[in-house]
Amino acid sequence: DIVMTQSPDSLAVSLGERATINCKSSQSVLHTSNNKNYLAWYQQKPGQPPKLLIYWASVRESGIPDRFSGSGSGTDFTLTISSLQAEDVAVYYCQQYYTPTLYTFGQGTKLEIK
Amino acid sequence: EVQLVESGGGLAQPGRTLRLSCAASGLSFDDHAMHWVRQAPGKGLEWVAGISWNSGNIGYADSVKGRFTISRDTAKNSVYLQMNSLRPEDTALYYCAKDKGGYIGPIDAWGQGTQVIVSS
Repeated sequence: DIVMTQSPDSLAVSLGERATINCKSSQSVLHTSNNKNYLAWYQQKPGQPPKLLIYWASVRESGIPDRFSGSGSGTDFTLTISSLQAEDVAVYYCQQYYTPTLYTFGQGTKLEIK
Repeated sequence: EVQLVESGGGLAQPGRTLRLSCAASGLSFDDHAMHWVRQAPGKGLEWVAGISWNSGNIGYADSVKGRFTISRDTAKNSVYLQMNSLRPEDTALYYCAKDKGGYIGPIDAWGQGTQVIVSS
């Protein structure tokens, strides 16, 4: 199974500053057949189900503010929030969907305001 | 608007069974793979099981393989999780989730979850 490892486990950033979360997969999630990275990012606020932010490593889901962006390829990925807002306080997860019906999530990164 | 409504959770003793159900609406159910994802109290997300649009591809996390069975009923727009030989470590909030694709893709819709507690 593909293991996803996020860093850091928690992060405190000032309002308006940049937040960066990293995700590393134990094997490549890049399908060479279509040159797509099978990697998604989710945001989960307390008491709510997760919400899809980014898929194919860098495609923003409809309705997601453009301060959220994803980058990376192969085994190393990054979620960036360009200017942190108060409503971005949450836990963020990366997830690979490289193998059909055999998905895995990272352990999560808790983002707080400094 | 996509709605996923889970039911069937509750308190069960170790070794017993529970069957979770998820009723889907507001989508072309046949077009999407479906998943169960769980979250133990205070912990992260754990993908549990997934089933492709035509039930041709089914997968399980190692932690539940051989004990849990996922299935779907197109006529009822529903997906199920049969949970046998329950263990205390299966205690979690179980989310039903919809894949963007029929076979493989990110998860783009979630239910509110149904709580499962395994305890004697």
